[in-house]
Amino acid sequence: DAKTTQPTSMDCAEGRAANLPCNHSTISGNEYVYWYRQIHSQGPQYIIHGLKNNETNEMASLIITEDRKSSTLILPHATLRDTAVYYCIVRGAGGTSYGKLTFGQGTILTVHP
Amino acid sequence: EAQVTQNPRYLITVTGKKLTVTCSQNMNHEYMSWYRQDPGLGLRQIYYSMNVEVTDKGDVPEGYKVSRKEKRNFPLILESPSPNQTSLYFCASSPSRPNTEAFFGQGTRLTVV
Repeated sequence: DAKTTQPTSMDCAEGRAANLPCNHSTISGNEYVYWYRQIHSQGPQYIIHGLKNNETNEMASLIITEDRKSSTLILPHATLRDTAVYYCIVRGAGGTSYGKLTFGQGTILTVHP
Repeated sequence: EAQVTQNPRYLITVTGKKLTVTCSQNMNHEYMSWYRQDPGLGLRQIYYSMNVEVTDKGDVPEGYKVSRKEKRNFPLILESPSPNQTSLYFCASSPSRPNTEAFFGQGTRLTVV
């Protein structure tokens, strides 16, 4: 699976949009970009995923560049409960690789009042 | 409600005393896996199973066993626990299709003294 690079930490004011970047320059054509977050020591929580088109759901938006080498997770109106570690993961689509999630160090997002 | 349930949530045990951490999912998922999370090392996959009676090693399988006799259950067995297996453990499940999300359990914090 392709490696991802994320900033170690970011801050955001409550109510503002949080934009979390991720680089995945070695991503291959059939690999998806997934985002998960982990609040304290709870189980990782799925946020969103995409292949090449931008995606939006009730939690967030995912913007993937045209060359697919980077992406941005957008939390449109961050709240204090969005404080967590956010993981950008490139996930394979074939064989056994579809199931495995390779977690990096993630980005610690702190939302301030 | 779709969920992955792990038991116990917390466990303190002594070196060499066999233990089992149970994992059960109610979503009829084919793929299940176990991860351990350690400070500075992130989440690493221990074992995975693509379906009943089909299991394989992940990245850090030493000292662990698994079984998959039923689709819903995927227990993690430590035959002779050692202090270096003190960690936070997560079970996860997902469908066998690549464009899907994985669900994680709440975690099991294991301490081996």
